[in-house]
Amino acid sequence: AQSVTQPDIHITVSEGASLELRCNYSYGATPYLFWYVQSPGQGLQLLLKYFSGDTLVQGIKGFEAEFKRSQSSFNLRKPSVHWSDAAEYFCAVGAGRAGTASKLTFGTGTRLQVTL
Amino acid sequence: ETGVTQTPRHLVMGMTNKKSLKCEQHLGHNAMYWYKQSAKKPLELMFVYSLEERVENNSVPSRFSPECPNSSHLFLHLHTLQPEDSALYLCASSHEWDTDLAGANVLTFGAGSRLTVL
Repeated sequence: AQSVTQPDIHITVSEGASLELRCNYSYGATPYLFWYVQSPGQGLQLLLKYFSGDTLVQGIKGFEAEFKRSQSSFNLRKPSVHWSDAAEYFCAVGAGRAGTASKLTFGTGTRLQVTL
Repeated sequence: ETGVTQTPRHLVMGMTNKKSLKCEQHLGHNAMYWYKQSAKKPLELMFVYSLEERVENNSVPSRFSPECPNSSHLFLHLHTLQPEDSALYLCASSHEWDTDLAGANVLTFGAGSRLTVL
C-alpha cells in the first residue's frame, strides 16, 4: 500500500530564511508526487507536481521540489520565505494513471510558522 | 465564478437536524470528491463521483448521503450526525479519463465547509 510521511508536524522559520519541508513516500512503482498548501480557512491549493522527467520541479510562489528515487523523498524547498507562506503543507502520492485521483494518499501535513 | 465553490462555509447543527453541503465546480471537470479533514489526521476520502456515477464510498456511515445531479454539482446530505463528525469538509474536482495525463490526478479543492455538531 502506498503511504506518505511528513516527519515534521510544525516548523518555524524567520522571514527571509530558507525552507525545506520533508516528504517521504512508499510506492511500488514510479509515483506521481504533489505538494499542496492550505492557508487558514481555505482549501488545498496545488503548489507543484512531479510526473516524470526532470527531478527538480518548479512550482508557484517560488517553491521547488526534488524527487529523489533512491531516498524515496520529495522535499519542498524555498530559498527565501515570506510571511505570507505561513500555512499548512501537504505532500501526496498517487498512481498517475487517468481515473485514479481517488487513489491519492496525503500526508498529515506540516504547519509552517514564519516569524518576522 | 471560477474554481470550486462550497456553501455554506460554516454550519452548526444539532444531532437531530438535517442539513446539506453544496459544492459547485466551474472547471469542466468530470469527477468530484468529498473529503473530511479533522485535526491531526490525514485527509479522509469519503466519496468519489466520476461522470456523475458514484465510484467510491470509503465505508462512510449512512448518516452521510452524497448526491451528484450533474457533473458540476455535488451535495452532501447530513442527518443525525454525531459530535465526532465535526470537521472541515472539502469538495474537490478533477479531470479524469483524459489523454493528457499531466492533468490527471490533479485535484482542485474548494475552501471547505466547517461543520460543528452540537
